[in-house]
Amino acid sequence: KQEVTQIPAALSVPEGENLVLNCSFTDSAIYNLQWFRQDPGKGLTSLLLIQSSQREQTSGRLNASLDKSSGRSTLYIAASQPGDSATYLCAVQGGSEKLVFGKGTKLTVNP
Amino acid sequence: KAGVTQTPRYLIKTRGQQVTLSCSPISGHRSVSWYQQTPGQGLQFLFEYFSETQRNKGNFPGRFSGRQFSNSRSEMNVSTLELGDSALYLCASSLSPANTEAFFGQGTRLTVV
Repeated sequence: KQEVTQIPAALSVPEGENLVLNCSFTDSAIYNLQWFRQDPGKGLTSLLLIQSSQREQTSGRLNASLDKSSGRSTLYIAASQPGDSATYLCAVQGGSEKLVFGKGTKLTVNP
Repeated sequence: KAGVTQTPRYLIKTRGQQVTLSCSPISGHRSVSWYQQTPGQGLQFLFEYFSETQRNKGNFPGRFSGRQFSNSRSEMNVSTLELGDSALYLCASSLSPANTEAFFGQGTRLTVV
C-alpha cells in the first residue's frame, strides 16, 4: 500500500528566504508525482507534474525534483513571498491510477 | 478555458438525508475522480470514472456512490448522511485515467448537522 509522507508539517520563514519542502513515498512503482497548492477552504492548484522518467521540473520560482529509486521528491521555492503562504501537497499516481496524497506542509511566509 | 466546476459550493444537511454533488470537468477531459478531505484523514480517494465507467473505488461504505454522464460530467451521491461525512469533497479532471496531470475544482463543503 502506497504511503506518502511530507516533512515538515508546518514551516514559517521570513520573506525572501529560499526553502525546500520534502515528500517521500514507500512504493517506487509510480507513473508520476504532482505538487499542489491549497489555500484555506479552497481547492487544489496544480503546481508541477513530474513523470517517473524525469528528474526535475521547473516553473518560475518553483523547482521540483524526483528520485524515484529512493522514494523522494523535493519542492524548492526561491525568494519566498507572503503570497506563497498556503498548504503544499504532494501526490503520487501508480498502477491503481488514484492519487495518493501526503498530509501536506503548511507554509507561512512572514513579511 | 474553463476549469473544473463543482456545484454547489456549500451544503448543510441533516443526519439521515441524502445529497448529490456535481462536477463538470475541463472540456475534453474524460476522466473524473472524487476525493474527500477532512482535517484528520487528509485527502482520501472515493472513485474514478472514465467514459461513463467506474474504474476504481476507494474504501468507503456503499452509501457513497457516483456516476458519469456521456458529456463527462459526474455526480456523487451520499445517502443516509452521518456527522462524519462532513468534509470538503473535491473533484479532479484529467485527459485520461493514468499518467496525466490532474486539475481540481474548488470543492463542495458539506456540513452534516
